[in-house]
Amino acid sequence: GNSVTQMEGPVTLSEEAFLTINCTYTATGYPSLFWYVQYPGEGLQLLLKATKADDKGSNKGFEATYRKETTSFHLEKGSVQVSDSAVYFCALGTVGNEKLTFGTGTRLTIIP
Amino acid sequence: KAGVTQTPRYLIKTRGQQVTLSCSPISGHRSVSWYQQTPGQGLQFLFEYFSETQRNKGNFPGRFSGRQFSNSRSEMNVSTLELGDSALYLCASSIIQGAADTEAFFGQGTRLTVV
Repeated sequence: GNSVTQMEGPVTLSEEAFLTINCTYTATGYPSLFWYVQYPGEGLQLLLKATKADDKGSNKGFEATYRKETTSFHLEKGSVQVSDSAVYFCALGTVGNEKLTFGTGTRLTIIP
Repeated sequence: KAGVTQTPRYLIKTRGQQVTLSCSPISGHRSVSWYQQTPGQGLQFLFEYFSETQRNKGNFPGRFSGRQFSNSRSEMNVSTLELGDSALYLCASSIIQGAADTEAFFGQGTRLTVV
């Protein structure tokens, strides 16, 4: 079956630090990969996605590259801001499967 | 364009009662999925509806049920509530069903507390 293993949190960084949140996956078929973000009191918002190997998703300074050889989709940002404080979820979806499989989430706190 | 709307936002119920949660998807979206979010289990898939038919179901007991109406609005029902049902219930809508690269748009959720 499908599964997502995500870096445990919480993660605390200073403003302007470099961010990496690790995500690896196991999937049958050819998954699409997603990063969702959840701000306090809110639902999930799609941050970025990649649908095939070697694709790079990017949005708001965040990037993640679909690495089939290492089954990974690590989230990176070069310089984080206080407003990036949130919970980040890695997820995958496969053709013919109507659900998203999520990682456990990583709580990120950025301190000024 | 209005987003996914879930009502109510907060709910407190007593053990043994039943509850109905509502989700209105984005206009034009025909697929609605439900997820349960808890600190211990994370995000767990409940079920997905497309064109008024349940297409997929997660590993939850039969106390959890749902339906979708012809206007794509969806409801989920939990009967005989247990303390462990306390969670944030999230609804997500997407344009089509079953496509791996379709973006799912989430509502703000309904926070259910069972006492």
